[in-house]
Amino acid sequence: KNQVEQSPQSLIILEGKNCTLQCNYTVSPFSNLRWYKQDTGRGPVSLTIMTFSENTKSNGRYTATLDADTKQSSLHITASQLSDSASYICVVSASTGGFKTIFGAGTRLFVKA
Amino acid sequence: ETGVTQTPRHLVMGMTNKKSLKCEQHLGHNAMYWYKQSAKKPLELMFVYSLEERVENNSVPSRFSPECPNSSHLFLHLHTLQPEDSALYLCASSQDPGLDSPLHFGNGTRLTVT
Repeated sequence: KNQVEQSPQSLIILEGKNCTLQCNYTVSPFSNLRWYKQDTGRGPVSLTIMTFSENTKSNGRYTATLDADTKQSSLHITASQLSDSASYICVVSASTGGFKTIFGAGTRLFVKA
Repeated sequence: ETGVTQTPRHLVMGMTNKKSLKCEQHLGHNAMYWYKQSAKKPLELMFVYSLEERVENNSVPSRFSPECPNSSHLFLHLHTLQPEDSALYLCASSQDPGLDSPLHFGNGTRLTVT
């Protein structure tokens, strides 16, 4: 069964600290993995996309990693800011016919001053 | 201004009402989507349109009826909804319905069914 599981469900950190969010998936055959950021009251916005051959990709203070062997991805946030408070959603697409895009339930991040 | 605009932002309706959600994309994309987002649950794909043709219908109850009159506009017609249909309804678009195109989401319609 195609699944995407994210941990932790929620996280509270102090401003300026680093954090890492996890995503484990069982989607097969794998096509790509995206991380989205969803601010409260807004739609998700794409942060990064990773394909099978990519191990790491950065977007400013956000760095995503992918281990296709263990089917795990992480999103590392460096020097967190209050504006990083949001839900972070891991989305994995399967390279089969149809629209096999599986969403994780998200990690809710709270950054406190 | 977001490239995908949804109206209304909030909607409260009774179970016997009929209402419609509207989505408009200004990005020149060919594919449009409706998703349902319930609290602490993953987004659920409801419908996909590619070049105004419905190409995916994920076993959605018939009380939800989509309409795509052109590649820029998408509607979701609602009738005789149930309280469990209360959720955030997100519209999205992408350049094409392929897997490599990122989804561009609107800010959603928060629906409450009383």
